[in-house]
Amino acid sequence: QKEVEQNSGPLSVPEGAIASLNCTYSDRGSQSFFWYRQYSGKSPELIMFIYSNGDKEDGRFTAQLNKASQYVSLLIRDSQPSDSATYLCAVIGSSASKIIFGSGTRLSIRP
Amino acid sequence: DAMVIQNPRYQVTQFGKPVTLSCSQTLNHNVMYWYQQKSSQAPKLLFHYYDKDFNNEADTPDNFQSRRPNTSFCFLDIRSPGLGDAAMYLCATGRGGRVYSNQPQHFGDGTRLSIL
Repeated sequence: QKEVEQNSGPLSVPEGAIASLNCTYSDRGSQSFFWYRQYSGKSPELIMFIYSNGDKEDGRFTAQLNKASQYVSLLIRDSQPSDSATYLCAVIGSSASKIIFGSGTRLSIRP
Repeated sequence: DAMVIQNPRYQVTQFGKPVTLSCSQTLNHNVMYWYQQKSSQAPKLLFHYYDKDFNNEADTPDNFQSRRPNTSFCFLDIRSPGLGDAAMYLCATGRGGRVYSNQPQHFGDGTRLSIL
């Protein structure tokens, strides 16, 4: 089992709809969770970070964390074509000795 | 603007010929990281510096070395590049302690390395 798992996609969502991206992790003691957006050929760009159970909202983005179920998700409301990218989930585990990235979910927003 | 700058953006080298990639930052972050990312894969951490303290990942090949002469600069040296080393190399910075901080990392634009 991979330490951080994401569905590779592509996930196709119509413009204006809600895109939902999911990530599961294996280290139950993980404390810090990040979502990065990566356009093709570019470097990752931080979108959201979350440390506590529940929801965290920033503009059109909402991160949701459920430590009991070991998943973290990212919701993108009112999806725009510019949201088309690969979204990387990253987790810092309980030992705080490593940051682990998932391999990303490719999101495509269709007009 | 404060940022993480990587040079060059594209590097082509010959099989076995040493190559150096550079990274500089104006964020005054005490931690600097080097990642290798291949197509459709997750970034893979090679090593990181906490201040001047070098931390190598267990599975990073000996072929990869790093230097951090001061807070602002960090270099990745590949002593004898092989075809399998062709990838995007990402530099990132962050604030933190000796173990991984819960603070997010800030990435440079990356250097795409090609091996002939």
